[in-house]
Amino acid sequence: GAVVSQHPSRVICKSGTSVKIECRSLDFQATTMFWYRQFPKQSLMLMATSNEGSKATYEQGVEKDKFLINHASLTLSTLTVTSAHPEDSSFYICSARRPDRGTDTQYFGPGTRLTVL
Amino acid sequence: GENVEQHPSTLSVQEGDSAVIKCTYSDSASNYFPWYKQELGKRPQLIIDIRSNVGEKKDQRIAVTLNKTAKHFSLHITETQPEDSAVYFCAASFIPGYSTLTFGKGTMLLVSP
Repeated sequence: GAVVSQHPSRVICKSGTSVKIECRSLDFQATTMFWYRQFPKQSLMLMATSNEGSKATYEQGVEKDKFLINHASLTLSTLTVTSAHPEDSSFYICSARRPDRGTDTQYFGPGTRLTVL
Repeated sequence: GENVEQHPSTLSVQEGDSAVIKCTYSDSASNYFPWYKQELGKRPQLIIDIRSNVGEKKDQRIAVTLNKTAKHFSLHITETQPEDSAVYFCAASFIPGYSTLTFGKGTMLLVSP
C-alpha cells in the first residue's frame, strides 16, 4: 500500500488566527496531492490540486488567498487556513496520487479536524 | 465537468444479505472508477477500482460492474458483515493525466447482526 500522513489530527484555534496542516507521503513520491473538505455526513469536496514545484489549482469558489497551498517537495504539501473563522471549521483531508505503479489511485491521509472558536 | 450521482443515500441490510450501491456518471471520457469506504471520523480507504477496459472486477466479497454505454457502475457486497457498516463513495476520473476525482455523495451502509 501507500501511506499518507497528516498533521495535526485535530486543531482548535481562535477566530482570526492561521492554521497550517501538513500532508506527507511517507513511502512514495507524490507529484500531485489533493486537498478536500468534508462536512458532517457529506461527501468529499475538492478544494485544490497541489502540484510539486508549481502553483496549486483551485476549484471554483475556493479562495486561494484564504487557503494557501504549498507543495515544496515530492513528499510534502501544506494547507494554511488564513484568518480562520468559525465557518472554516471542518474536516480537511489530503490525498496523494501514486502514479509510479501505473495506476491513478489516490491515497488519503487521516484528516484534520479544524475547530475555529 | 463530470457529475457523479450515487444511490441510495442510505442502505440497511441484515447480516449475510447482499448490498448494491449504484452510481452514474456524465462524462463519457471518464475511464477510472474507484470505490472508497469511510468509517466515521476516519480516512477514505480504497476498496476496489475498475477501468473502462473491463466490465467487472471481483475481490473476495466485493465486486464492481461497469456499463460504459449506460455510464453507470455498481458496487456489490455479498455476505455482508457488521464491519461492512460505513459510508461508501464512488468516484470517476479520466486517466492518464492530472485528472481529479469527482465523488458521489456517498451511501451509508448499515449491516444489522
